[in-house]
Amino acid sequence: RKEVEQDPGPFNVPEGATVAFNCTYSNSASQSFFWYRQDCRKEPKLLMSVYSSGNEDGRFTAQLNRASQYISLLIRDSKLSDSATYLCVGGDSNYQLIWGAGTKLIIKP
Amino acid sequence: NAGVTQTPKFRILKIGQSMTLQCTQDMNHNYMYWYRQDPGMGLKLIYYSVGAGITDKGEVPNGYNVSRSTTEDFPLRLELAAPSQTSVYFCASSPGTAGEQYFGPGTRLTVT
Repeated sequence: RKEVEQDPGPFNVPEGATVAFNCTYSNSASQSFFWYRQDCRKEPKLLMSVYSSGNEDGRFTAQLNRASQYISLLIRDSKLSDSATYLCVGGDSNYQLIWGAGTKLIIKP
Repeated sequence: NAGVTQTPKFRILKIGQSMTLQCTQDMNHNYMYWYRQDPGMGLKLIYYSVGAGITDKGEVPNGYNVSRSTTEDFPLRLELAAPSQTSVYFCASSPGTAGEQYFGPGTRLTVT
């Protein structure tokens, strides 16, 4: 079965700290990966795509390690507004994605 | 633009009842999806559509049906509701690449 596994957390992090979490995927044929953010009782929203070369968007950095089959997300200088659940997503076709259950992040003042 | 809208926001059904969850998008996206999200679980794909008139099953289609008569609308039909269908249902659309999906606010359904 194709799966994407994440540590559910919660990760409790002081404001301003750097936090990183990973997810692993079991399907080596997965071609594309993404991080989504989901606030409590809200819909998921695309945070960033994950490229083989790694990519950065402001305080967020995503990395893909195909050899070890994991994806990482690094958040620098964390803000209270970063508190959310972060969903790791992998896709092996143009139509369907495999979603992780999410990692809950709580930023404390 | 409203994006993706879903109705109703909340619904309580009795076992055996039926209902239709509505989903509409105004972004002219060809791809549309229905997911369910259970507590502590990842999103599970119920059905998807790659364009008007074309639908296909996802990972968990049993107990559900869909139709796609227009680009904008993608309703999800629950027949003979069961407690196992208690969940949050999200509709999403995509311009083409599966990863870039835009979600509606969800429908919280309870079947008792």
